[in-house]
Amino acid sequence: AQSVTQLDSHVSVSEGTPVLLRCNYSSSYSPSLFWYVQHPNKGLQLLLKYTSAATLVKGINGFEAEFKKSETSFHLTKPSAHMSDAAEYFCVVINTNAGKSTFGDGTTLTVKP
Amino acid sequence: NAGVTQTPKFRILKIGQSMTLQCTQDMNHNYMYWYRQDPGMGLKLIYYSVGAGITDKGEVPNGYNVSRSTTEDFPLRLELAAPSQTSVYFCASSPPGLATGELFFGEGSRLTVL
Repeated sequence: AQSVTQLDSHVSVSEGTPVLLRCNYSSSYSPSLFWYVQHPNKGLQLLLKYTSAATLVKGINGFEAEFKKSETSFHLTKPSAHMSDAAEYFCVVINTNAGKSTFGDGTTLTVKP
Repeated sequence: NAGVTQTPKFRILKIGQSMTLQCTQDMNHNYMYWYRQDPGMGLKLIYYSVGAGITDKGEVPNGYNVSRSTTEDFPLRLELAAPSQTSVYFCASSPPGLATGELFFGEGSRLTVL
């Protein structure tokens, strides 16, 4: 069994300040973890992925995430928010052996000028 | 290389009608998925397939059917449409091998049932 909890449904930051989007997961096996971004009325784009290599993962557009097994967390961060970062962000756990994926409910990021 | 292509992009159905959402990918991916996304929610897995001839239920399969006769195509069938099936539907595929699991998404199909 697997599940994903995104701890904040909405996050609002000012442009140029740090971003933290929180994700906890549960899994009965070693999971692959992903962050996807969805801009309004668009499809989903991969930001970054963890697949049991380095625990600190760097993605596109300056985002990174750290896999912490002891805390079952995979939080997404960015040092300095940009207006173009405003979007919906989804944390995803995938059982690559069985092909089954589970999405979190998403976090809406708002960036204020 | 078109990636994942979904058709139609928009459709309005009457209650009780049936339709098929088409999905095709040209990346030779083994895994394919259908999700629905309701407003303000994440994606819920409807059905998935790990290869031609193999399909399995996801979290919310009721009211839907799928088939996978080829590697490229994974159509989603709605029988007897209901207002609860109003949603945005996304098809996705994942490359062969067990290491990555990265999902490649189509642009979505917006379905309204009235």
